[in-house]
Amino acid sequence: NAGVTQTPKFRILKIGQSMTLQCTQDMNHNYMYWYRQDPGMGLKLIYYSVGAGITDKGEVPNGYNVSRSTTEDFPLRLELAAPSQTSVYFCASTRDREDTQYFGPGTRLTVL
Amino acid sequence: GEDVEQSLFLSVREGDSSVINCTYTDSSSTYLYWYKQEPGAGLQLLTYIFSNMDMKQDQRLTVLLNKKDKHLSLRIADTQTGDSAIYFCAEVYGGATNKLIFGTGTLLAVQP
Repeated sequence: NAGVTQTPKFRILKIGQSMTLQCTQDMNHNYMYWYRQDPGMGLKLIYYSVGAGITDKGEVPNGYNVSRSTTEDFPLRLELAAPSQTSVYFCASTRDREDTQYFGPGTRLTVL
Repeated sequence: GEDVEQSLFLSVREGDSSVINCTYTDSSSTYLYWYKQEPGAGLQLLTYIFSNMDMKQDQRLTVLLNKKDKHLSLRIADTQTGDSAIYFCAEVYGGATNKLIFGTGTLLAVQP
């Protein structure tokens, strides 16, 4: 098992550009999550999904969108990048609500 | 409100014990977690404790839970330079969705 994989590892965007951060897990987990980690801070939940076709907002959803068309994939979309979205983004998954979360290696995004 | 607090920094000498503390807010949390993040890397699950336990030991790691005070601690015995990292505690919040609320992280610096 590869676990949770994320692409790209690094990206620099200009203000107003858009991009999609990819997240894939091969553990057949139902629950998937997107977090952002700002410098010197803990992780904040952006969006989460409890299964294919079901998504919901976390603490900091503004400026982002997600979709969950398959169990494996949970892409995060930035439509109009802003400097405030400069952060490290982590995707995570878990089998069910009582299970532990497994994290991907992260995507470091800089918006200039 | 949801708030998980940790001290920001801890410095110890190699071979000493390290104790990292955390206070959480949601008394209904079923699981509490400790994650380790090395520089430039993702989060690695270290250990977790179920809310009906007071203590859990896993090799050099000991987790203590005081539910009355909502206090969680992680003790690392015989601390090594490879233990230098940021340590995050996290509580499960939100019942059905297994959302994690993270602390701000404690930077552990191990001096040789």
